[in-house]
Amino acid sequence: AQKVTQAQTEISVVEKEDVTLDCVYETRDTTYYLFWYKQPPSGELVFLIRRNSFDEQNEISGRYSWNFQKSTSSFNFTITASQVVDSAVYFCAPHTGTASKLTFGTGTRLQVTL
Amino acid sequence: NAGVTQTPKFQVLKTGQSMTLQCAQDMNHEYMSWYRQDPGMGLRLIHYSVGAGITDQGEVPNGYNVSRSTTEDFPLRLLSAAPSQTSVYFCASRQEHSGANVLTFGAGSRLTVL
Repeated sequence: AQKVTQAQTEISVVEKEDVTLDCVYETRDTTYYLFWYKQPPSGELVFLIRRNSFDEQNEISGRYSWNFQKSTSSFNFTITASQVVDSAVYFCAPHTGTASKLTFGTGTRLQVTL
Repeated sequence: NAGVTQTPKFQVLKTGQSMTLQCAQDMNHEYMSWYRQDPGMGLRLIHYSVGAGITDQGEVPNGYNVSRSTTEDFPLRLLSAAPSQTSVYFCASRQEHSGANVLTFGAGSRLTVL
């Protein structure tokens, strides 16, 4: 069974600070995918990134970057120069290739203030 | 394209009442699923379907029924509502059941059971 841990329940930062959201997962599968979703205060769920287990390259997209380390089963998400619009709940979600189930972590609520 | 459409957006029920949450997608996606979101619990999978006529249980299926008579629709039925089913419900779909594909979520349905 898959398990995912987002140990940080809530993080508060001041605008322009960098912030890293941690995600640790457990899976017995060798092939799997990892996702991050964002849920802003309006409530919808927005896809941010997908990474497959064979690709350990870090990824940068604007102010967002992801650090995938298979050796430590972690898939951490960093926001550089945070902005108030980044305030949201962020979910990490692993998915194995053999199961039709995406397992969500409990989420990290990020509050960015001026 | 409308994407994933959920109705109603809000509903208040009394204990013991029944109701159906509707979910429709116009993307010809094979895979559809229902999640519930509760504070501090993340999103938990209720039921899912990999195609018309095929459904399966997720993590928290008790108290809910589903059917998939068409590719487009995946209704979630509460036969006898209980206060423990007070939650926000999300329907999601993706092209096919492979985990490589990104889930597209509906806007959510907030259900309160008194």
